[in-house]
Amino acid sequence: SSELTQDPAVSVALGQTVRITCQGDSLRIYYASWYQQKPGQAPVLVIYGKNNRPSGIPDRFSGSSSGNTASLTITGAQAEDEADYYCNSRDSSGNHLVFGGGTKLTVL
Amino acid sequence: EVQLVESGGGLVQPGGSLRLSCAASRFTFSSYTMNWVRQAPGKGLEWVSYISSSSSTIYYADSVKGRFTISRDNAKNSLYLQMNSLRAEDTAVYYCASSRMIAVAGTWGDYFDYWGQGTLVTVSS
Repeated sequence: SSELTQDPAVSVALGQTVRITCQGDSLRIYYASWYQQKPGQAPVLVIYGKNNRPSGIPDRFSGSSSGNTASLTITGAQAEDEADYYCNSRDSSGNHLVFGGGTKLTVL
Repeated sequence: EVQLVESGGGLVQPGGSLRLSCAASRFTFSSYTMNWVRQAPGKGLEWVSYISSSSSTIYYADSVKGRFTISRDNAKNSLYLQMNSLRAEDTAVYYCASSRMIAVAGTWGDYFDYWGQGTLVTVSS
């Protein structure tokens, strides 16, 4: 079982805002990072650190954190944002990295 | 553009062994921490193992500890995963991924910045 918990599925209307959350005790200590994965493709980093976007990631993607919960927000979701999203962080021991179970985002 | 190319996947019987390789190019491989991450068919991502740039720090997921060995050859820009005593539940696409760390005001975190396209390992009789 994962030490990071994500909702299995979330949906959003085209152009609306959606928040994907990741819960875990280790998030009180470590930043989460977020990955987008489309079918048949390798994951792509979308958010890391406090709220950093790699080059090429649209600014509609943002990250935040409060207590034991990290969030990925997509402001003005586009059809191409439909994908699986995973959070990642260290576990409470600090000696393991762990992924959340993933959230399947559907853009309606 | 950074390239990570995995190889060595295939079909192996339960209890067998396999060695995966990841060839890196167009970045300073020797400066990066590297990882193996896997994804079973239709399932989520699972971190497998981590090796620091100098190989001085190595971590394994509990699910593979004692069976898998991560290593690297900085002179060859290559990462390896020796997998022994393979089980059906090890069937997955295996990705190599580089990682870095960010630290701000006492809080820090890892992130996987570059990923290969993956190599499929199937454990079946």
